[in-house]
Amino acid sequence: EVQLLESGGGLVQPGGSLRLSCAVSGFIFTNYAMTWVRQAPGKGLEWVAAISASGGSTFYADSVMGRFTISRDSSKHTLFLQTNSLRVDDTALYYCAKVTGDWTRGDAFDIWGQGTVVTVSS
Amino acid sequence: DIQMTQSPSSLSASVGDRVTITCRASQSISNYLNWYQQKPGKAPKLLIYGASSLQSGVPSRFSGSGSGTDFTLAISSLQPEDFATYYCQLSYSTPPTFGGGTKVEIK
Repeated sequence: EVQLLESGGGLVQPGGSLRLSCAVSGFIFTNYAMTWVRQAPGKGLEWVAAISASGGSTFYADSVMGRFTISRDSSKHTLFLQTNSLRVDDTALYYCAKVTGDWTRGDAFDIWGQGTVVTVSS
Repeated sequence: DIQMTQSPSSLSASVGDRVTITCRASQSISNYLNWYQQKPGKAPKLLIYGASSLQSGVPSRFSGSGSGTDFTLAISSLQPEDFATYYCQLSYSTPPTFGGGTKVEIK
């Protein structure tokens, strides 16, 4: 069974950091790009970051560029999102998702985890 | 960046109704458009990719159409389990922007 399981969320003060993880199983991790999408309370979906199948290419939303870093460990079948300099408006449910290809035109996000909550508050 | 505008933002409908949701891109994206369904407290689910291709396991009452800048998601006969929020998403370029969502509620 294909499964994505996020962890690492929590309550952090503005300016703080968290490292989110997404453990994957049920598919060949190294064949697909992976991505993070977030959803602020009561709001819509916002794409955050993506990483190619090999990990050699990364992509970021302007809102997190320079503060967040996406990475992956193929030996551990795990996707990461290092979040630094967190702001109140980063408060959201963070989902990891499997991409249908290697971050090419036409890709979709076909498998999603259940998300991990990040709350940034003083 | 390409902007995606969904309409309506919400609608009320009855079981058995035909429902349509539209999504407009700020520039042509060919057929690089995906649709997702999200139920309360759940992760989004891929329904349609490539504007009109049905994801495996999705009921045939869902269909997608359009090309260029204007796209439509249709539900031919609304079922109780279809009450949810629907999002379009472009897959033409980075960032893969989502539309603002359409909440389908019970009339």
